[in-house]
Amino acid sequence: RKEVEQDPGPFNVPEGATVAFNCTYSNSASQSFFWYRQDCRKEPKLLMSVYSSGNEDGRFTAQLNRASQYISLLIRDSKLSDSATYLCVVNLGNFNKFYFGSGTKLNVKP
Amino acid sequence: GAVVSQHPSRVICKSGTSVKIECRSLDFQATTMFWYRQFPKQSLMLMATSNEGSKATYEQGVEKDKFLINHASLTLSTLTVTSAHPEDSSFYICSATAELAGGFYNEQFFGPGTRLTVL
Repeated sequence: RKEVEQDPGPFNVPEGATVAFNCTYSNSASQSFFWYRQDCRKEPKLLMSVYSSGNEDGRFTAQLNRASQYISLLIRDSKLSDSATYLCVVNLGNFNKFYFGSGTKLNVKP
Repeated sequence: GAVVSQHPSRVICKSGTSVKIECRSLDFQATTMFWYRQFPKQSLMLMATSNEGSKATYEQGVEKDKFLINHASLTLSTLTVTSAHPEDSSFYICSATAELAGGFYNEQFFGPGTRLTVL
């Protein structure tokens, strides 16, 4: 079983739509969680860290559910510029091991 | 956020030559640096984890004699692709992270990547 699993998509949504991605992780010892965004032929860039209490940054909201071992990313009022691949990343803390999901592709259409 | 640079950004070489890629953390000391490879339309694949002053830990299936990693300081790691062949053509990305108190690690900061083409 993979350490981190994501639906690869693609998610094709119209501008203005709300879209949500989930990501599940297998190791209950995981301590840090992140969402990265990767544009085509570019390096991943941190979108947001995910905290136990959940966190929001503008149109983006991230949630962590430790009991069910998943994290989520909600994007409201989608923009064309949100089109990218969204990577879920989990860190095992003391083991200094980061695990990447395979990414979920989002296409926002006009 | 922290800045990680990578050099060169693009390299084209002949088959059989060796290529060195540098990864630098510009404004922080990186406890650990990671090297990834990404083929078109595929996800990042971790190649190795590198801690300053110690030997890199390679992922299964990655040849350590072909992909030489040197991590001489807390701000510099290099990846050398030895005797490169066309199948080594890929997007190579490094990242750096630093250890926080309590054994946690902050997020990874990625370099802009190096696109290697072996003819």
